[in-house]
Amino acid sequence: QVPLVQSGAEVKKTGASVKVSCKASGYTFTSYGINWVRQAPGQGLEWVGWISAYSGNIKYAQKFQGRVTLTTDASTSTAYMELRSLRSDDTAVYYCARSSDYSYADWFDPWGQGTLVTVSS
Amino acid sequence: ETVLTQFPGTLSLSPGERATLSCRASQRVTSSHFAWYQQRPGQAPRLLIYGASSRATGIPDRFSGSGSGTDFTLTISSLEPEDFAVYYCQQFDSSPITFGQGTRLDI
Repeated sequence: QVPLVQSGAEVKKTGASVKVSCKASGYTFTSYGINWVRQAPGQGLEWVGWISAYSGNIKYAQKFQGRVTLTTDASTSTAYMELRSLRSDDTAVYYCARSSDYSYADWFDPWGQGTLVTVSS
Repeated sequence: ETVLTQFPGTLSLSPGERATLSCRASQRVTSSHFAWYQQRPGQAPRLLIYGASSRATGIPDRFSGSGSGTDFTLTISSLEPEDFAVYYCQQFDSSPITFGQGTRLDI
């Protein structure tokens, strides 16, 4: 059983929004947090933010503040990341990854399989 | 922001050889807030080492981590074919969480 399964690839126009889901299984969803990390083609890893599935506390990377919203739905054990005002440089694989429920400061394990978001004009 | 610089950028070795990967932080990082990940082509990253030196569940003992302060090291004692991948260091001592740019381990 794969612990984190993400939604499928998306193609969006510049200026649009995208919402990626991450469904958890095999563990108590509300005992952990979920981080979101992105990876542009051929590039490294960039942290987007963290949400506690227990408390709803959120920490965003300042770079994405105002443009991203993280949410969770405990009834379906699913976390969501919505990114708005998409630009071409938002084209990346977006990963969810499990971590602590009480602080963003924790290692990430396991990771979802990734969702490719392609932004074009 | 804590910048993590990994070196070398690419390391070319053969199976059975020892690999030493380095990560230097622009400011001091608490060891308990430092981790290493492996990413194979087309796959998501996988946690290898947390707390600078503790192996994650299921990680073979040929992987070891060390270091403190601003200098951290990942060592693979004897390379297996499946170890050829990209390795990232991570700090979560201060926000934003940052990753190094990666070291590619090539055959």
